[in-house]
Amino acid sequence: AQKVTQAQTEISVVEKEDVTLDCVYETRDTTYYLFWYKQPPSGELVFLIRRNSFDEQNEISGRYSWNFQKSTSSFNFTITASQVVDSAVYFCALRPNNAGNMLTFGGGTRLMVKP
Amino acid sequence: EPEVTQTPSHQVTQMGQEVILRCVPISNHLYFYWYRQILGQKVEFLVSFYNNEISEKSEIFDDQFSVERPDGSNFTLKIRSTKLEDSAMYFCASSEGLAGGLSTQYFGPGTRLLVL
Repeated sequence: AQKVTQAQTEISVVEKEDVTLDCVYETRDTTYYLFWYKQPPSGELVFLIRRNSFDEQNEISGRYSWNFQKSTSSFNFTITASQVVDSAVYFCALRPNNAGNMLTFGGGTRLMVKP
Repeated sequence: EPEVTQTPSHQVTQMGQEVILRCVPISNHLYFYWYRQILGQKVEFLVSFYNNEISEKSEIFDDQFSVERPDGSNFTLKIRSTKLEDSAMYFCASSEGLAGGLSTQYFGPGTRLLVL
């Protein structure tokens, strides 16, 4: 069975602070995909990033960066110089390669960025 | 940029009524999905659909639920006899394939269903 844990249910920061959202996953599969999605107050789910389990390179996209560490089963997401528009719920998700095509989501982290 | 669309955005229904939620997946995508999110909770997988068949379903997807691709563009979720606990946001998603970059699931804006 797959499991994704986002231990931080809610984080509040002041604009321009850096913030890291944690994601820890469990799977018995040796190959899998990890994802981050953003859910702004309007409710839609916006795809942010996909990472393959065999690619442990960290990724940076503008103010966003992701740290994938297979040894600790973690896929953390950092927002640098946070902005009010970053306020949203962020979900980490897992899809093992050999266990169908369903995404298993974590419980989400609500990020509030105050001006 | 192509996107998944869903209608209606909101639906209110009485317990026991049938509802049909509609989705138009991205046009070159072959895999279609329904997920639901009860208010304040995590997103949960319901069903995946490929080549006009259900390819996978969760325990939530019981006999009250059905999916259909009635034509070349629409993908529907039907709830036969709604219960109060079916109140949730229902998301449709689609992906081009299952491997690598093709596996990314793109989500629609959701349909908020309220069962009274």
